[in-house]
Amino acid sequence: DIQMTQSPSSLSASVGDRVTITCRASQSISNYLNWYQQKPGKAPKLLIYAASSLQSGVPSRFSGSGSGTDFTLTLSSLQPEDFATYYCQQSYNTLGTFGQGTKVEIK
Amino acid sequence: EVQLVESGGGLVQPGGSLRLSCAASGFTFRNYEMNWVRQAPGKGLEWVSYISGSGSPIYYADSVKGRFTISRDNAKNSLYLQMNSLRAEDTAIYYCARRGYSYGHFDFWGQGTLVTVSS
Repeated sequence: DIQMTQSPSSLSASVGDRVTITCRASQSISNYLNWYQQKPGKAPKLLIYAASSLQSGVPSRFSGSGSGTDFTLTLSSLQPEDFATYYCQQSYNTLGTFGQGTKVEIK
Repeated sequence: EVQLVESGGGLVQPGGSLRLSCAASGFTFRNYEMNWVRQAPGKGLEWVSYISGSGSPIYYADSVKGRFTISRDNAKNSLYLQMNSLRAEDTAIYYCARRGYSYGHFDFWGQGTLVTVSS
């Protein structure tokens, strides 16, 4: 099975900060890597698919990069509505394994 | 507008059964692969099961294999999850999610239905 490891598990940041979250796969997954945002009490929302493609309607301050085993989600300038938990997910195989999540909190 | 609406959650005793449903609308349901994903209270997302557009193949997470059964009725635009031999650790919000073309990302999610396994 493919394991997904995110870091950090949580972080504190201020509005306007640049934030980077990393995700590592236990084997190469090419660019079959997706990022989701989840706010309390809500369903997850797709942000980025295929490692770097921005889902329709998602602000351009979100970006993704990487291929193979190492991936990054970057928020260029953190906004108040971005405080949430972020998950990576591999879709290289049909067992869509998720990372453990990164909680972005207000400093 | 794509919509996924789950139902069927509730309180069930350990060892009991429950059937979840997910009603789909706003897209050609039979053309899309579907998944169930769950989230235990205060925990992360866990993929549970996958079903192709035609109903086969099907895959399960090891944690539910042999106890849960995924199915779909394309005529009714509905996805199901039959859950048997439920355990306390199955307590979670269960989401249905549509798998997008090409890269397998989960592009639409339902609002979730809560399953609580407790005596």
